[in-house]
Amino acid sequence: ILNVEQSPQSLHVQEGDSTNFTCSFPSSNFYALHWYRWETAKSPEALFVMTLNGDEKKKGRISATLNTKEGYSYLYIKGSQPEDSATYLCALAPYGNKLVFGAGTILRVKS
Amino acid sequence: GAVVSQHPSRVICKSGTSVKIECRSLDFQATTMFWYRQFPKQSLMLMATSNEGSKATYEQGVEKDKFLINHASLTLSTLTVTSAHPEDSSFYICSAQGVARGLANEKLFFGSGTQLSVL
Repeated sequence: ILNVEQSPQSLHVQEGDSTNFTCSFPSSNFYALHWYRWETAKSPEALFVMTLNGDEKKKGRISATLNTKEGYSYLYIKGSQPEDSATYLCALAPYGNKLVFGAGTILRVKS
Repeated sequence: GAVVSQHPSRVICKSGTSVKIECRSLDFQATTMFWYRQFPKQSLMLMATSNEGSKATYEQGVEKDKFLINHASLTLSTLTVTSAHPEDSSFYICSAQGVARGLANEKLFFGSGTQLSVL
């Protein structure tokens, strides 16, 4: 059974703080890594899909890096805003698009 | 971006009844749909994969006779929880992969989920 670990489980930051989360996965089973942003009562929104070791992707104030050899990905948020409050999910795609999800990191940004 | 509509968002039913959850891709054709469920404080867990026009593939430990999946068209997949019991109470969510998007590194598009409570 593949295990995808996310840390921390939850995070409370002040508006303007920068923050980052970690997603760890077995390095021997890798095809792609997905990051999703999930607000309560809404659909999870795809942020990034990453496939190459050393890959870095950026979307506005959010960026992500990938290390497939050591089995981790970092998600960074620069200058957190209250609207960034959400659950951030990472998911491993060991084959095809059958995703194995982590439990998520809950981010709360206080204004 | 692509939109996936899932209904109902919440359902409360009596034990023994069946509940149908619909998932529609509104602006693209979904060749493959995935059904996940999430128990409190746990990860989303894949239940089954459905391909349009063929039988669904179920993950280990998921009863195919209890969770009936139909994917009769390229825009609609349904999950029916038959003879629901309190232990089936969970959050169910679908995701869709579009036509010509057969690569593993393509983003998936999710519905907003259904919270099922069985009394």
